Amino acid sequence: KAGVTQTPRYLIKTRGQQVTLSCSPISGHRSVSWYQQTPGQGLQFLFEYFSETQRNKGNFPGRFSGRQFSNSRSEMNVSTLELGDSALYLCASSPDGSGNTIYFGEGSWLTVV
Amino acid sequence: DQQVKQNSPSLSVQEGRISILNCDYTNSMFDYFLWYKKYPAEGPTFLISISSIKDKNEDGRFTVFLNKSAKHLSLHIVPSQPGDSAVYFCAAGPLSGAGSYQLTFGKGTKLSVIP
Repeated sequence: KAGVTQTPRYLIKTRGQQVTLSCSPISGHRSVSWYQQTPGQGLQFLFEYFSETQRNKGNFPGRFSGRQFSNSRSEMNVSTLELGDSALYLCASSPDGSGNTIYFGEGSWLTVV
Repeated sequence: DQQVKQNSPSLSVQEGRISILNCDYTNSMFDYFLWYKKYPAEGPTFLISISSIKDKNEDGRFTVFLNKSAKHLSLHIVPSQPGDSAVYFCAAGPLSGAGSYQLTFGKGTKLSVIP
């Protein structure tokens, strides 16, 4: 069974640009959540999607957005990139997002210069 | 306000000895706890979990203990192996999903197992 797949793995962007990251969950999983990890910080929750609906959002500015498609694949977008957005962005999936373990992908390393 | 705290940023243990990683939480609504292991440049890998109805869960060399009254959990690795060297994250969340589900993570403890 394939795991959570994230693309791209590594990318470099310039301040002010926007970026889109993609996530394909484990087959059959309907809940996708996104986390940001920065040096010295734990994983911080960005948002969670289930059946194409955002059910919860973490404490991040509106520049961070996402969506989920009917096949459960998800994308997250960061607009007007800032240097502080440089981080590892992790996608995780779970069967229904209800009291289940979440399984992470390898992450997308974003560097903003 | 950090709801999940891992107060030790790093821990060094001799190969073959026991590694004990600790985690404290403040939110009484948390009743499902997990440990993840993370190698550099990789995503976190699920290790072991425990729900609040239990005080211990064991899986091979890994055992998680939960003390609900103290809001404290710990991960024991016995015996420790060099391949266990990684960053370990403690995470907590509600067991029953009433809608959205999210985990709150600690900042991690870097374990180094010395051969």
